[in-house]
Amino acid sequence: DTEVTQTPKHLVMGMTNKKSLKCEQHMGHRAMYWYKQKAKKPPELMFVYSYEKLSINESVPSRFSPECPNSSLLNLHLHALQPEDSALYLCASSPPGDTQYFGPGTRLTVL
Amino acid sequence: EDQVTQSPEALRLQEGESSSLNCSYTVSGLRGLFWYRQDPGKGPEFLFTLYSAGEEKEKERLKATLTKKESFLHITAPKPEDSATYLCAVSTGANSKLTFGKGITLSVRP
Repeated sequence: DTEVTQTPKHLVMGMTNKKSLKCEQHMGHRAMYWYKQKAKKPPELMFVYSYEKLSINESVPSRFSPECPNSSLLNLHLHALQPEDSALYLCASSPPGDTQYFGPGTRLTVL
Repeated sequence: EDQVTQSPEALRLQEGESSSLNCSYTVSGLRGLFWYRQDPGKGPEFLFTLYSAGEEKEKERLKATLTKKESFLHITAPKPEDSATYLCAVSTGANSKLTFGKGITLSVRP
């Protein structure tokens, strides 16, 4: 089974809201990732967690706050977002340094 | 700096018309080259991982090959359901970062 699940599928939020995106995998992968993807562009890496520790932060604004509560779960907390943050947010997991498997994504719209 | 270039940007084929998608790369030490398929509004779906020059992998109508400078995704007798964006990515080093190409949008007409 190579399934990564993400909730919610769609999210609409105002610029003053606080919301969270959730990601879960049960493949025993010890690396998990958040990506942001704009229309007709490839995914852009935001964060990497390796063995539940943040190993890469690609200079993402502090209004995005990642959290890895355990080896199967990854959250992305959102606060005070801007309309330009509207995008498809993708979670992925992998054995460290190997093939990444992506979830279906959360379509985020910031009004 | 690692670079991945995919060509053409878009490709329109007639059903049954075989073709190839190209991914050329410039990296300092390839750990793996990955092909993904992405449908609009959905997450990338894993297709193949290639690790060393000369390696080939097949799945249904798709075959991926790798040389020291490029990879090809060959599509044999495509069907309309093969229409999607095909992404190529490379990883180098142990930090798990992927460098993506811009993708190739494939349309297959019935």
